[in-house]
This record gives sequence, C-alpha cells and structure tokens, in this order.
Amino acid sequence: GAGVSQTPSNKVTEKGKYVELRCDPISGHTALYWYRQSLGQGPEFLIYFQGTGAADDSGLPNDRFFAVRPEGSVSTLKIQRTERGDSAVYLCASSPSGRATGANVLTFGAGSRLTVL
Amino acid sequence: GENVEQHPSTLSVQEGDSAVIKCTYSDSASNYFPWYKQELGKRPQLIIDIRSNVGEKKDQRIAVTLNKTAKHFSLHITETQPEDSAVYFCAARREQAGTALIFGKGTTLSVSS
Repeated sequence: GAGVSQTPSNKVTEKGKYVELRCDPISGHTALYWYRQSLGQGPEFLIYFQGTGAADDSGLPNDRFFAVRPEGSVSTLKIQRTERGDSAVYLCASSPSGRATGANVLTFGAGSRLTVL
Repeated sequence: GENVEQHPSTLSVQEGDSAVIKCTYSDSASNYFPWYKQELGKRPQLIIDIRSNVGEKKDQRIAVTLNKTAKHFSLHITETQPEDSAVYFCAARREQAGTALIFGKGTTLSVSS
C-alpha cells in the first residue's frame, strides 16, 4: 500500500479482555516495528521483525503481549488479559530493511488507540 | 540495551529565536541517530539524521551535532517559526547490527509569535 495502515484506529475494551491490533506495512518493507506511546512520552519499543522472524522482542513488557508476522507482511499485536495500564497508542512502523545502510527511515502508521476500562 | 535520555522535556521560545534539544545515549556501538517530529495528533516523521562518521549535519534551518566521545547529540533549530511547534524525538541504533531504533521521551517545543 501507499503507507502503513493500522486497524482499528480506536479500540475500547474492558479489563481482562483479549485484543488484536493489525499493521499492514508498506509493500516490500522487510522490517516492521511495534511501539507503544503513552501521553507525553516517546515511542516505547516493543518488538521488531525482520521478515517473518522477530529480530528483537526485548521490549515486550510481559508474556501477555505477543506479535506475529507469519508471511512477512501484515503483523498482528496480541494482548491477553488487558489491564488499564495497557491503555496507549500502539504505533507500527516499517522500513525497507533493518540492516542495509540508508534503510533506516521508519514510516509510521497513524496508530491504534487502545483504551482499557 | 540502548537507553536514550532527552532534555529538556519542554521548551518555549519566541519566533525567530534558536532552539536546542540534547540527547545522550548509552550504547557506545550505536552509530545512527535520527530526529523525528510529531505534530499534535499526527504520526512521527523523520526530519534529519546523522551517522557516527560525521560530527555535524545541516539541512536549511535545522542541524544536528554528534559527540561520540561524550555519547551525546543535539538538534539545533534556527530562526524558529510557529510551525516548528511540535514534539521532537531523538533516537539511536546500531545500524549494521540491525537493532531496534530506541527513542528518547521527547521535547515539546512551543514557538510563540
């Protein structure tokens, strides 16, 4: 696609529920990142994919968070047993490659705003 | 892993003045340092970046300087305009190692006319 697409743009859920957030990166971009941004804070790194595999998942806060990218394109961030503290904007970004020089420019999606009541 | 500290958290200047935002990083192997601008309600966008093989880079009214020894880098905006008002984020990564891009917490710049 022309840009990074994220759905849903807004999600309100109740504490304890399961949530899936989807990211459709720019076509051909092999690197895909998930960040979480709380109000007044910088993007907090969660996980980074190079192709289908997670190159770095050290930012996932706990085992309630999981992400997949089965075909190396669309990615889904999954949050189990949501807590109020999970409320944030979840940003997805993609780039042509995670390793090549000159391929560092991340293009961000508009984000998915998650509110846990 | 990498840790990026950014200050100040807020900065208010008069139109036409200069603004400087500073960042420090912890990983001495980091060699790529971009700056992103995020306007209210919008997504972050790259405005300038620098690699560790140079000490300074300019693009019109914005410039970035890097001190590898001290592990800090700065964004300089000259002749500020109201449209420069936004949140600015610095970031760092090990480019060739393909590690994740780690962001600072951001600086909210307000330019008053």
